[in-house]
Amino acid sequence: KQEVTQIPAALSVPEGENLVLNCSFTDSAIYNLQWFRQDPGKGLTSLLLIQSSQREQTSGRLNASLDKSSGRSTLYIAASQPGDSATYLCAVEGNGQNFVFGPGTRLSVLP
Amino acid sequence: DAGVIQSPRHEVTEMGQEVTLRCKPISGHDYLFWYRQTMMRGLELLIYFNNNVPIDDSGMPEDRFSAKMPNASFSNLKIQPSEPRDSAVYFCASSGGSSYNEQFFGPGTRLTVL
Repeated sequence: KQEVTQIPAALSVPEGENLVLNCSFTDSAIYNLQWFRQDPGKGLTSLLLIQSSQREQTSGRLNASLDKSSGRSTLYIAASQPGDSATYLCAVEGNGQNFVFGPGTRLSVLP
Repeated sequence: DAGVIQSPRHEVTEMGQEVTLRCKPISGHDYLFWYRQTMMRGLELLIYFNNNVPIDDSGMPEDRFSAKMPNASFSNLKIQPSEPRDSAVYFCASSGGSSYNEQFFGPGTRLTVL
């Protein structure tokens, strides 16, 4: 059974710092990995999707990498801003659109 | 497109009552997912459909839960009878079309069962 963990559970940084969020999964037989952002009381917003054949994806200040063999993905946020404060979740897609989510990392960027 | 639409946004009901949650996926998407989010268990996949057909309902917690997708533009999730432990935020998501496999989530329905 696929299990997804995220480290750290919470992170607080001053504005302007670069930071890395980590996602680990136990079964490397995945099709895709997707990073989401969730604001309090809101739904999930898709940030980046990395297909299993890819190693990384970039969108603006965000860069996500994927190492299937080691069961790891990282989300790099450059020059963090207070507006980046949210919970970040990763999800892995296994066989047959079976998505498993991690518990999330709660990020606070202090002005 | 307006994105995934869910209704109601908030539902408060008493134990034993039937609850119906509704979802309209993004037009052209052929996959629809129902999730439940709680503090204790995080985000859990309950059931998903492909082309209106239920593919995997192994995440549905009990027989009190049922979901249908009568057409490509509508799905509902029913809980009958509801119990306090069903209190959670229920999300609907869809994927497909040109953004195959990328999931797009609705705003969720916050359910409180008293």
